[in-house]
Amino acid sequence: AAGVIQSPRHLIKEKRETATLKCYPIPRHDTVYWYQQGPGQDPQFLISFYEKMQSDKGSIPDRFSAQQFSDYHSELNMSSLELGDSALYFCASSQTGQGTNEKLFFGSGTQLSVL
Amino acid sequence: GESVGLHLPTLSVQEGDNSIINCAYSNSASDYFIWYKQESGKGPQFIIDIRSNMDKRQGQRVTVLLNKTVKHLSLQIAATQPGDSAVYFCAENIRGYSGGGADGLTFGKGTHLIIQP
Repeated sequence: AAGVIQSPRHLIKEKRETATLKCYPIPRHDTVYWYQQGPGQDPQFLISFYEKMQSDKGSIPDRFSAQQFSDYHSELNMSSLELGDSALYFCASSQTGQGTNEKLFFGSGTQLSVL
Repeated sequence: GESVGLHLPTLSVQEGDNSIINCAYSNSASDYFIWYKQESGKGPQFIIDIRSNMDKRQGQRVTVLLNKTVKHLSLQIAATQPGDSAVYFCAENIRGYSGGGADGLTFGKGTHLIIQP
């Protein structure tokens, strides 16, 4: 079965650079979520989109932005990168209907290293 | 604040034994709970879920128990196998009734399950 696809798998950037992470949800899933996971930490919710509109916002820094496109894929844009942004970034998708949106399926993540 | 948490950071069990991983939550409005398994370098993998109108749900070798009175959730893994080694997270969500919307799951602290031969 098709899963959530994230690219790139690994990304190395220097401080103050920008990065763009991409996420392709499972076909027919209309909702995407972004999570950040530091080493040994639990995943922290950043932001979510439903039908191309921002739906919920978590602990996403102002330096980050995201959007969902007409084909439902999503991109997380990160600017003015800091050392503390080094983490594993996960995208998840779900199929939302009648207000239910619980079961999230996660991609393999993008490992971002800021040097 | 409101959060979902696990009682133990590491749990070591013998291969073949049953494993019980616990989770405490404090948001009484939470009505849906999920257990995820995360292997090293991979994304969280769905194991089993349960709604707040249930107190038990069984899957293949796994059982989730929900005690709303004490806000406690547990994952039981029967006949633990080497492939069960991973970090296990519980997560909670409050269902949105707005006809859409995508509230993010709140994850608890993970429990690293170690299988001893």
